[in-house]
Amino acid sequence: GAVVSQHPSWVICKSGTSVKIECRSLDFQATTMFWYRQFPKQSLMLMATSNEGSKATYEQGVEKDKFLINHASLTLSTLTVTSAHPEDSSFYICSARDIRQGARGYTFGSGTRLTVV
Amino acid sequence: GESVGLHLPTLSVQEGDNSIINCAYSNSASDYFIWYKQESGKGPQFIIDIRSNMDKRQGQRVTVLLNKTVKHLSLQIAATQPGDSAVYFCAENKNTGNQFYFGTGTSLTVIP
Repeated sequence: GAVVSQHPSWVICKSGTSVKIECRSLDFQATTMFWYRQFPKQSLMLMATSNEGSKATYEQGVEKDKFLINHASLTLSTLTVTSAHPEDSSFYICSARDIRQGARGYTFGSGTRLTVV
Repeated sequence: GESVGLHLPTLSVQEGDNSIINCAYSNSASDYFIWYKQESGKGPQFIIDIRSNMDKRQGQRVTVLLNKTVKHLSLQIAATQPGDSAVYFCAENKNTGNQFYFGTGTSLTVIP
């Protein structure tokens, strides 16, 4: 089945620094990937849709200059949290769609726990 | 046991009992729904899906019911097992793209 890998699985960074999170589709190509954020005991909130070779589409209220998304290849999307602050601490999860599996092909990564100190 | 996702985010059931997890979705134009299971510290896992042209779909030990009139989904788990303990989310595709939007979620605890 389709596998999506996220790296790192957890990261601690100092306030004001930037952190990059990678999302890879391991055995399929994904023209579209999705980035979600999840706070403790809350639901997943869609942040943006990452499109290979073009600009990401951000959901309302998500700052595109703070959460930079790059989807430079069919198997890799990156999310960079710029000038991170403690309120950015969260669980970031990506998903990608394997079109070979039709509508069921949305697979999630294992998430990245970001802690900003 | 039965829950209403928006008002009762936790559900405890005895092992072997059936569980019913409910979800209210937001957009009447949504045409595709997925139930996900999320264990602590992990990404969501696909459980079962249903299209808006159906009102019921069955899988292994799970059944999803869709009531479009009241924009309501339910997930029924038969003979609930300790391994079913997790948070369950419904997600809807709003027919405007490939994006899925998640509901509030319900935390299921199975008591041995």
